[in-house]
Amino acid sequence: AQSVTQPDIHITVSEGASLELRCNYSYGATPYLFWYVQSPGQGLQLLLKYFSGDTLVQGIKGFEAEFKRSQSSFNLRKPSVHWSDAAEYFCAVGRREGGTASKLTFGTGTRLQVTL
Amino acid sequence: DTAVSQTPKYLVTQMGNDKSIKCEQNLGHDTMYWYKQDSKKFLKIMFSYNNKELIINETVPNRFSPKSPDKAHLNLHINSLELGDSAVYFCASSLVGANVLTFGAGSRLTVL
Repeated sequence: AQSVTQPDIHITVSEGASLELRCNYSYGATPYLFWYVQSPGQGLQLLLKYFSGDTLVQGIKGFEAEFKRSQSSFNLRKPSVHWSDAAEYFCAVGRREGGTASKLTFGTGTRLQVTL
Repeated sequence: DTAVSQTPKYLVTQMGNDKSIKCEQNLGHDTMYWYKQDSKKFLKIMFSYNNKELIINETVPNRFSPKSPDKAHLNLHINSLELGDSAVYFCASSLVGANVLTFGAGSRLTVL
């Protein structure tokens, strides 16, 4: 069974500082990996995804993530955080189900707080 | 021109009532989903339909019944509501084989 662990429940960074959110996954095959962001009272927005190929993937809003198979990790990074980045971040692993659906298993999320 | 729209956004009701949440997508996707986010923000899949056919049916009480009249709509009906059903329910959709889900804004259900 697939699973995702986000070890950090809550992270606080200063505006302009760098950010790294950790994600570890468990999956038997090559995983589909995702990072989603949820702003307060909002839905989930896809930041970036990894399916195959280059292990460093770029996403929206200046975010990037690196897939490390040896460590079963897919950490999210941003070189300089903006106050508007304060939100809940979810890592997810997906697998095809029934040939037509994509079943996502989410981590428990990391709440990012940004101080000015 | 909302891609995945859910109604209502907020729903407050009493225990024992029956309620429905509607979802529509205008992305031309084939597959739709319902996810539940509990009070601790944990997201878990409930159902998935592909072109009106049930594909994923997780361990969900029989009181929850999804209905997909066409591939652009997936509604969630809940009978005999319980306190534990209080959550945010997210609808999502995807193209077959795309593996990327687009989520709606969520419907917050509060059972009193």
